[in-house]
Amino acid sequence: DTGVSQNPRHKITKRGQNVTFRCDPISEHNRLYWYRQTLGQGPEFLTYFQNEAQLEKSRLLSDRFSAERPKGSFSTLEIQRTEQGDSAMYLCASSLEGTYGYTFGSGTRLTVV
Amino acid sequence: QQQVKQSPQSLIVQKGGISIINCAYENTAFDYFPWYQQFPGKGPALLIAIRPDVSEKKEGRFTISFNKSAKQFSLHIMDSQPGDSATYFCAARGSSASKIIFGSGTRLSIRP
Repeated sequence: DTGVSQNPRHKITKRGQNVTFRCDPISEHNRLYWYRQTLGQGPEFLTYFQNEAQLEKSRLLSDRFSAERPKGSFSTLEIQRTEQGDSAMYLCASSLEGTYGYTFGSGTRLTVV
Repeated sequence: QQQVKQSPQSLIVQKGGISIINCAYENTAFDYFPWYQQFPGKGPALLIAIRPDVSEKKEGRFTISFNKSAKQFSLHIMDSQPGDSATYFCAARGSSASKIIFGSGTRLSIRP
């Protein structure tokens, strides 16, 4: 296992288009988190899953954002009708229930033009 | 609502010196305080973490000092090296919630 994998690494899209990112967590980790990081800021929590259940969503996650983890393994984050303000690094992390530390992926950098 | 406040925003230290980054938190329910290190183009990586029942934790050149009564904690990097140049984030997590809340980050530059 090589850690948390995120694809694509970079995505440039036109405003108004839909985009989807994928995260593959560490295989034995049952918790998966999505964060958003803008330049010069710390990661901001978006949502998290325990197995396939989405247990918490931030108020940052508008109705244009949706996340899924259908079989409790990989997860997808979709942004509909992208806006320039959505430009950011989208980070995925995973952990094992009962442990505290997260392992982050390298992120997907989204640029909306 | 920023629940973890971090300072300074940027820091320049000479090679071999001590780098000190400070954080303050508000929520007394937090029970886990990690520090993450992030290099450009990479995700944050866990560096060191502490629970509030101890006042200090040391791992190699990295030390966390924790003051529960003041609700403050700090990262000390001894004998700072150019390879330590990165952005450092303090963070906190509550026992009743799963998510980790991050500070705004400190960009550390070590001058050779």
